[in-house]
Amino acid sequence: EEQLVESGGGLVQPGGSLRLSCAASGFTFSNHWMHWVRQVPGKGLVWVSRIESVGTTTTYADSVKGRFTISRDNAKNTLYLQMSSLRAEDTAVYYCVREARFAYGMDVWGPGTTVTVSS
Amino acid sequence: ESVLTQSPGTLSLSPGERATLSCRASQSILINYLAWYQQKPGQSPRLLIYAASSRATGVPDRFSGSGSGTDFTLTISRLEPEDFAIYYCQRYGNSPHITFGQGTRLEIK
Repeated sequence: EEQLVESGGGLVQPGGSLRLSCAASGFTFSNHWMHWVRQVPGKGLVWVSRIESVGTTTTYADSVKGRFTISRDNAKNTLYLQMSSLRAEDTAVYYCVREARFAYGMDVWGPGTTVTVSS
Repeated sequence: ESVLTQSPGTLSLSPGERATLSCRASQSILINYLAWYQQKPGQSPRLLIYAASSRATGVPDRFSGSGSGTDFTLTISRLEPEDFAIYYCQRYGNSPHITFGQGTRLEIK
């Protein structure tokens, strides 16, 4: 079964840092672009960041640019999101998402991990 | 940055009825890189439609997508009880930014 499982969420103070991880299984991780998408409970989906399959090209939403860093370890089948200078507005559920090959949409989503930024 | 506007915000229908959801882009979406997702309470989103009109694996054929350029539609031909959820459209692909619409809530009338 193709699966993504996030970890690393939790409570952090404003200005603090957190690193999210996403373990992939059941598919060839290195073949896929990967994304982070976040959602404030009760609100809509917001794209955060993208990394291409070998990890050399990354893209960020303006709201996180300069504060968040996406990376991947294809040998470990793991995606990361290093978050720093966290703000209250970064509080959300963070989903790890696989982009299907050939631009066939985002077809595998993890269950999400919750990040709460609060003092 | 392209903005996606979904309408209506909430759609109230009965099982067996036809649902039509709209997604309008502020800029033309090239190569129809437009997807639709379904999200139920407490669950992660699920891909329904990609490339504007192609059904994802395992999606029932009562779901269909259409449109091009700036105007796109998700149609559910005959609503089943499990179809009541929130639906999001999304611009994706190799553009600098990926955006989601604000969502349409499909509720039981």
